[in-house]
Amino acid sequence: GEDVEQSLFLSVREGDSSVINCTYTDSSSTYLYWYKQEPGAGLQLLTYIFSNMDMKQDQRLTVLLNKKDKHLSLRIADTQTGDSAIYFCAEIFTGGGNKLTFGTGTQLKVEL
Amino acid sequence: GAGVSQSPSNKVTEKGKDVELRCDPISGHTALYWYRQRLGQGLEFLIYFQGNSAPDKSGLPSDRFSAERTGESVSTLTIQRTQQEDSAVYLCASSLALGRANYGYTFGSGTRLTVV
Repeated sequence: GEDVEQSLFLSVREGDSSVINCTYTDSSSTYLYWYKQEPGAGLQLLTYIFSNMDMKQDQRLTVLLNKKDKHLSLRIADTQTGDSAIYFCAEIFTGGGNKLTFGTGTQLKVEL
Repeated sequence: GAGVSQSPSNKVTEKGKDVELRCDPISGHTALYWYRQRLGQGLEFLIYFQGNSAPDKSGLPSDRFSAERTGESVSTLTIQRTQQEDSAVYLCASSLALGRANYGYTFGSGTRLTVV
């Protein structure tokens, strides 16, 4: 099946690290993605990871993939108020064309 | 164009009326996707196009929903006899090609549909 789950809310202080978690069910996923959605805006691709990788780092963003547990995380270092948004993880569901299956989204609130 | 363009950005319609939502993908993007996002919820897949054919329509909620695409260009999503539960943001995305998953999708800003 295609089920992607995330916790709904995360609150952090400015300057701290944020870790947003995601679990997925399709073990044959080839790519996993993190998207950011700011209020009233579309989704912006932040980063992606190929399923044969364990980790990917891109400036303040670190993606960790535990394929055995089907667990994906996004770490944002030195979180800023501009990082406040909803973060979606998504997987390519290889059994159904190339459509992305999204999680429910995690709302990140950064407090001063 | 430079990005995925959707119109209108906002639409308020009376229950029972038909609405048409438009998506202009990035030039050269062969794959186009429609998603629905209800308030406070994640993205719900509706349909995707490869060129002007739609291999997967599995997400269309009912026969009131239909979509078409002209070549590798504009797509329209039509909702007939709108109901209040159709109120949502309708997001369109395009990608370079199926199978090029490392590119991800580029999303438009969406059309916010409100059925009153």
